Amino acid sequence: EIVLTQSPGTLSLSPGERATLSCRASQSVSSSNLAWYQQKPGQAPRLLIYGAASRATGIPDRFSGSGSGTDFTLTISRLEPEDFAVYYCQQYGSSPRTFGQGTKLEIK
Amino acid sequence: QVQLQESGPGLVKPSQTLSLTCTVSGGSISRGYYYWGWIRQHPGKGLEWIGYIYYSGSTYHNPSLKSRVTISVDTSKNQFSLKLNSVTATDTAVYYCARDTGQYFDHWGQGTLVTVSS
Repeated sequence: EIVLTQSPGTLSLSPGERATLSCRASQSVSSSNLAWYQQKPGQAPRLLIYGAASRATGIPDRFSGSGSGTDFTLTISRLEPEDFAVYYCQQYGSSPRTFGQGTKLEIK
Repeated sequence: QVQLQESGPGLVKPSQTLSLTCTVSGGSISRGYYYWGWIRQHPGKGLEWIGYIYYSGSTYHNPSLKSRVTISVDTSKNQFSLKLNSVTATDTAVYYCARDTGQYFDHWGQGTLVTVSS
């Protein structure tokens, strides 16, 4: 199965700053079949990005995804207070579908 | 807007069977196009895909769970269910049901914590 490694484990930033989160796959993810989710404490994950770069319905344009092959990035252009959460990547190019271990984005 | 809600016992004894049901509202499982899936999250950890079912009854599950998983659907009640047998403490987790596009998960239930303990 494809192992997804997210970095950093924790990212400390201030509102208004730019966040760059990384997701690296143990083997190439076909057709950029990668999604990103946001999870806040006590809540279910929320789909942000699919197809590596397509925003899900209702997701603000400050969230953007990029990458292909084994290296993918989620960028939040200007952090809002509600963006501090845990972010997960998920690949669906190969079965079984797998998730990364998460990056915690915390307020500095 | 599709909504999903998990229900079932929060405590299961070791070696017994974990049983959960997901009730879907705001959309019909019978409509097709989507799959209906289960994902779990061990305490303080990441996410693990368990499996999915289509309205026709066809299923697929994560091989890591071997043959312990059964997923079924009741279209008359707009529900689908998860059974995980021979549970151990390592099956303690928050269990989510979700609408599954076959690729990513675009709507999730709120999750339910299931603890395996005697």
